[in-house]
Amino acid sequence: AQSVTQLGSHVSVSEGALVLLRCNYSSSVPPYLFWYVQYPNQGLQLLLKYTTGATLVKGINGFEAEFKKSETSFHLTKPSAHMSDAAEYFCAVSGSGGYQKVTFGTGTKLQVIP
Amino acid sequence: NAGVTQTPKFRVLKTGQSMTLLCAQDMNHEYMYWYRQDPGMGLRLIHYSVGEGTTAKGEVPDGYNVSRLKKQNFLLGLESAAPSQTSVYFCASSYSNVGAEAFFGQGTRLTVV
Repeated sequence: AQSVTQLGSHVSVSEGALVLLRCNYSSSVPPYLFWYVQYPNQGLQLLLKYTTGATLVKGINGFEAEFKKSETSFHLTKPSAHMSDAAEYFCAVSGSGGYQKVTFGTGTKLQVIP
Repeated sequence: NAGVTQTPKFRVLKTGQSMTLLCAQDMNHEYMYWYRQDPGMGLRLIHYSVGEGTTAKGEVPDGYNVSRLKKQNFLLGLESAAPSQTSVYFCASSYSNVGAEAFFGQGTRLTVV
């Protein structure tokens, strides 16, 4: 069994401020972890993913996330928010063996205030 | 480069009507998925396919059927639409079932009245 919890359905930051979106997961096997972004009226697109290796993962648009096994977390950060970052962000988890379906979190809407 | 294309983009149905949503991908992916997105609930998997001619149930399959007669197409059918099926539907595809990026279509907004 696996699950994802995203803390905060809405997050507001000022332009130029740090973005921190929280994601905690549970998985009975070593996880693969993903962050997707959804802009209004569009489908989801991959920001970054962790499979194996380096626990700090860099993605597109200046985002990064760190896999912390001891904390079962995969928080998404960006040092300086831009207006174009306003979107909904989804954390997702899947297992690492055989076919493992992907479980998505409920999403966090990021508002960037000018 | 089309990627994953869904048709239609919008549809309004009356309760009891039927319809088919079409998903087409041009990336030669084996795996295809149908999700529904509802406010505050994230994405929930309806059905998926691990290759041409195969389908399997996801977590919310009731009221839906699917077919994958060709590798590039994955159809989602609603036999008798209900208001509870009002949602945004997303199709996705991936080249692998383990740790692979999923590519999503633009979505179909369905309203059942």
